Amino acid sequence: DQQVKQNSPSLSVQEGRISILNCDYTNSMFDYFLWYKKYPAEGPTFLISISSIKDKNEDGRFTVFLNKSAKHLSLHIVPSQPGDSAVYFCAATYNNNDMRFGAGTRLTVKP
Amino acid sequence: GAGVSQSPRYKVAKRGQDVALRCDPISGHVSLFWYQQALGQGPEFLTYFQNEAQLDKSGLPSDRFFAERPEGSVSTLKIQRTQQEDSAVYLCASSLVGVRNIQYFGAGTRLSVL
Repeated sequence: DQQVKQNSPSLSVQEGRISILNCDYTNSMFDYFLWYKKYPAEGPTFLISISSIKDKNEDGRFTVFLNKSAKHLSLHIVPSQPGDSAVYFCAATYNNNDMRFGAGTRLTVKP
Repeated sequence: GAGVSQSPRYKVAKRGQDVALRCDPISGHVSLFWYQQALGQGPEFLTYFQNEAQLDKSGLPSDRFFAERPEGSVSTLKIQRTQQEDSAVYLCASSLVGVRNIQYFGAGTRLSVL
């Protein structure tokens, strides 16, 4: 069963604008969430994380928002740059052993 | 190199053949993970090692899949009697300890079973 869902397979934005990537989850036990970024022919690389005790975490141009009541998180990239074009995976865990990933959203930032 | 290294990068196998995929984690990383990524999907957890101990193998899809990390460093994922549905990218990741520390992924092994 898909416990982590990314319902938008793709997103296209103009350079300099905001990119918003969304993620929903079904398992209320999840208490730690992460975003990974993947370029073609490479493995995913860690971007940003958030614990369930917070509702926002910011790192430079990247901010993750967590809405526990809605079981929803989002990643904001401001301003978007062409180098941000990649596939973004949302992931969640409730233990320290395994992580559940969404199917990914392909972001294209146009110059 | 300083990153996670996986070999081979590509593997073509005939149905029924056994394959072995290798992962060299980052030196000093206690935790090692294997994931399977089907086309158009996110990585799916297969198994987790802490040093040489396999603490979780709940994601292995069948008893044809076997993983080991005998000395707590290099790991091998073995698939016996490969089937077409085993075709996927197999990703290895390592971290200091557990998933709540940053996992560093290798580039993966793309397995195609004909």
